[in-house]
Amino acid sequence: GAGVSQTPSNKVTEKGKYVELRCDPISGHTALYWYRQSLGQGPEFLIYFQGTGAADDSGLPNDRFFAVRPEGSVSTLKIQRTERGDSAVYLCASSPGRRNTEAFFGQGTRLTVV
Amino acid sequence: DQQVKQNSPSLSVQEGRISILNCDYTNSMFDYFLWYKKYPAEGPTFLISISSIKDKNEDGRFTVFLNKSAKHLSLHIVPSQPGDSAVYFCAARASGGGADGLTFGKGTHLIIQP
Repeated sequence: GAGVSQTPSNKVTEKGKYVELRCDPISGHTALYWYRQSLGQGPEFLIYFQGTGAADDSGLPNDRFFAVRPEGSVSTLKIQRTERGDSAVYLCASSPGRRNTEAFFGQGTRLTVV
Repeated sequence: DQQVKQNSPSLSVQEGRISILNCDYTNSMFDYFLWYKKYPAEGPTFLISISSIKDKNEDGRFTVFLNKSAKHLSLHIVPSQPGDSAVYFCAARASGGGADGLTFGKGTHLIIQP
């Protein structure tokens, strides 16, 4: 597709379960970002990949959160032992990788932990 | 500690008039600023950006002004159209160090009245 694709669009899980959220970036984009948006807030940076490596994971809230991008394209955000406070919209964005280039966002995955 | 602040949660403007959305920042390392627009159930879409070496950038109906000494930027939309009704996020990045992701404000909900 032409844009950033995220699956699933909605995910409901029980507290304590493990979830994976997937992001397909725009073809050719080397930079990939994950953000989290809670109700009434702006997107909050989680992690940035340049190619296959996590260049900056300073936004991950704790060690229950982990993300991979093994082939430099698709990325998966993994959350272990989910908590109700993890409920949010998780946004993925990609960019060509040049500095100061705007990032293109996907539609997000709405995660609800019950 | 909010480094990017949008102090107006909402703004109502009559169609055809000018919309002015404001944003303040506290981190003097920020040197690149962006505005994103977001419709419900969609990801943010890039609108316009400005580098700190400029004080104005214009793209069609949209103009962003940057006042570095005041750490303030604003987005002007003129004339405002019904399709401009959305949530607008101000975002900033520091190119020399700091997190590689964007720091967002909480957003301003712009409502264009017919």
